[in-house]
Amino acid sequence: EIVLTQSPATLSLSPGERATLSCRASQSVSSYLAWYQQKPGRAPRLLIYDASNRATGIPARFSGSGSGTDFTLTISSLEPEDFAVYYCQQRSNWPRTFGQGTKVEIK
Amino acid sequence: EVQLVESGGGLVQPGGSLRLSCVASGFTFSTYEMNWVRQAPGKGLEWVSYISSSGSTIYYADSVKGRFTISRDNAQNSLYLQMNSLRAEDTAVYYCARGSSSRDWGQGTLVTVSS
Repeated sequence: EIVLTQSPATLSLSPGERATLSCRASQSVSSYLAWYQQKPGRAPRLLIYDASNRATGIPARFSGSGSGTDFTLTISSLEPEDFAVYYCQQRSNWPRTFGQGTKVEIK
Repeated sequence: EVQLVESGGGLVQPGGSLRLSCVASGFTFSTYEMNWVRQAPGKGLEWVSYISSSGSTIYYADSVKGRFTISRDNAQNSLYLQMNSLRAEDTAVYYCARGSSSRDWGQGTLVTVSS
């Protein structure tokens, strides 16, 4: 099973600041990595698929990069609605696995 | 507009069974792979099961293998999860999600396993 490790667990930032979230895989997942945003009481929302492709309707301030084992989600300038929990997921191997999540909170 | 609506959750005793349903609309259901993903209270996301568009290929997480069965009815635009031998640790919100990258999700249905 591929283990995805997200860091940091919590990121405390102010609106307007840049957020950099990391996801590291225990073995290569090529570019088959997605990022999701989840707000309390809501279903997850796909932000990025296949490492760097923004999903439909996702603002340009969200970007993804990386391949192999190291991936990054960047939010260029945090908006108030971006404070949430973010998960990465690989679709390279079975079983599909998620990272444990990074909470982006208001500082 | 893509819609996924789950139902069938509820309170069940350990060892019991439940069948979850997910009704899809707004897209050609028969052409999409589907997944079930769950989230225990206060915890992260856990992938549960996958089914190909035709239903011919199926995968399960080890934690549910042998107890849960995924299926679909393309004529009814519906996805199912039959859950047997339920345990307390199966307590979670269960989501259905569309596609290999889970681009669309339902609102979820809560399953509580408790005596």
